Amino acid sequence: AQSVAQPEDQVNVAEGNPLTVKCTYSVSGNPYLFWYVQYPNRGLQFLLKYITGDNLVKGSYGFEAEFNKSQTSFHLKKPSALVSDSALYFCAVRPFTGTASKLTFGTGTRLQVTL
Amino acid sequence: NAGVTQTPKFQVLKTGQSMTLQCAQDMNHNSMYWYRQDPGMGLRLIYYSASEGTTDKGEVPNGYNVSRLNKREFSLRLESAAPSQTSVYFCASSEWGQGYSPLHFGNGTRLTVT
Repeated sequence: AQSVAQPEDQVNVAEGNPLTVKCTYSVSGNPYLFWYVQYPNRGLQFLLKYITGDNLVKGSYGFEAEFNKSQTSFHLKKPSALVSDSALYFCAVRPFTGTASKLTFGTGTRLQVTL
Repeated sequence: NAGVTQTPKFQVLKTGQSMTLQCAQDMNHNSMYWYRQDPGMGLRLIYYSASEGTTDKGEVPNGYNVSRLNKREFSLRLESAAPSQTSVYFCASSEWGQGYSPLHFGNGTRLTVT
């Protein structure tokens, strides 16, 4: 069975510092990987995805993620955090050969950026 | 652009009552989904509809039914609500057949069953 692990419930970062939100996955075959962000009282918003090709994926709002096949990881990064980045972040995975209904979400990591 | 619209935003039910959560999308997407979000558990798929006229069970379908009314609308029905169904419910849509197509979510319905 496929799974996603987000090992940190919360990540605290000072504004202007780099941030990393960790994600590891388990799936049969090659993965499609996604990051979503959720602001308070809102639905999830798509940030970025990895399909194939370049291991460094760039997404919305200056976020990027690095795919590492040997470590089965897909960590979300940003060079300089903003207070407005404070939100709940979800990693998700589905198998390359599956359908969109086979998407599995992690439990989420709360990012808190302070001045 | 409305995207995915869910109604109602909030609902309180007593155990045994029924209700229908409504969802509509204006992006001409083929596929629609219902998820529930519970603390510490991420999002879990309840039901999905790959295309108009089809529906299938997801990970946690017990206690729910769905109707794909047309291409735009996908409703979720709780026939006899239970406290375990207290949750935040999200509707989403996407293109089908393109597994890398991201989901577009509504803003959720917060349901409390007492």
